[in-house]
Amino acid sequence: DTGVSQDPRHKITKRGQNVTFRCDPISEHNRLYWYRQTLGQGPEFLTYFQNEAQLEKSRLLSDRFSAERPKGSFSTLEIQRTEQGDSAMYLCASSSLDRDTGELFFGEGSRLTVL
Amino acid sequence: GQNIDQPTEMTATEGAIVQINCTYQTSGFNGLFWYQQHAGEAPTFLSYNVLDGLEEKGRFSSFLSRSKGYSYLLLKELQMKDSASYLCAVRADTDKLIFGTGTRLQVFP
Repeated sequence: DTGVSQDPRHKITKRGQNVTFRCDPISEHNRLYWYRQTLGQGPEFLTYFQNEAQLEKSRLLSDRFSAERPKGSFSTLEIQRTEQGDSAMYLCASSSLDRDTGELFFGEGSRLTVL
Repeated sequence: GQNIDQPTEMTATEGAIVQINCTYQTSGFNGLFWYQQHAGEAPTFLSYNVLDGLEEKGRFSSFLSRSKGYSYLLLKELQMKDSASYLCAVRADTDKLIFGTGTRLQVFP
């Protein structure tokens, strides 16, 4: 396994459209995280899963955002009725509970531009 | 609330030593991480501290004082490729990582 992969890498959409991002974590990792990052800022937590269970969702996250991890492997992040403020890099990361440090391994991200 | 502070930008000269500070106030503490992020790329893991003291890994070292809510990342023998953003992150009372805004380091010849 070569790492966390995300698709698409770039997405340009018009305001009001729905978009969906996919994340494939490192295969033996049971935790999967979604973060959002804008220019000059650190990653902002959105939500995370342990296996297929969504354990936490940021209070800042609008109802337009939904994430799933139906079989405990890949995950999708959907944004409905996109707004210009949703333009950002969406980062996925995975980790293993079996590692002492539990560091997150990040994917290359999906860059969203809302026109 | 959760708050992680680090300087926005730093500059240094090739071959020098630079120290990037991070202070945090979080609800609970289960470890502090440093990540490196080159422009347009994903963050990559550098170091992890959960107990007080210094952790050394090659040219990079990280220090933690839990009583002071303070950490630093020390980079020695700076190289041009070290120009990047350095992110301080805390695992607080849940297992997510909370990130600071990052410190953009520019290394000049």
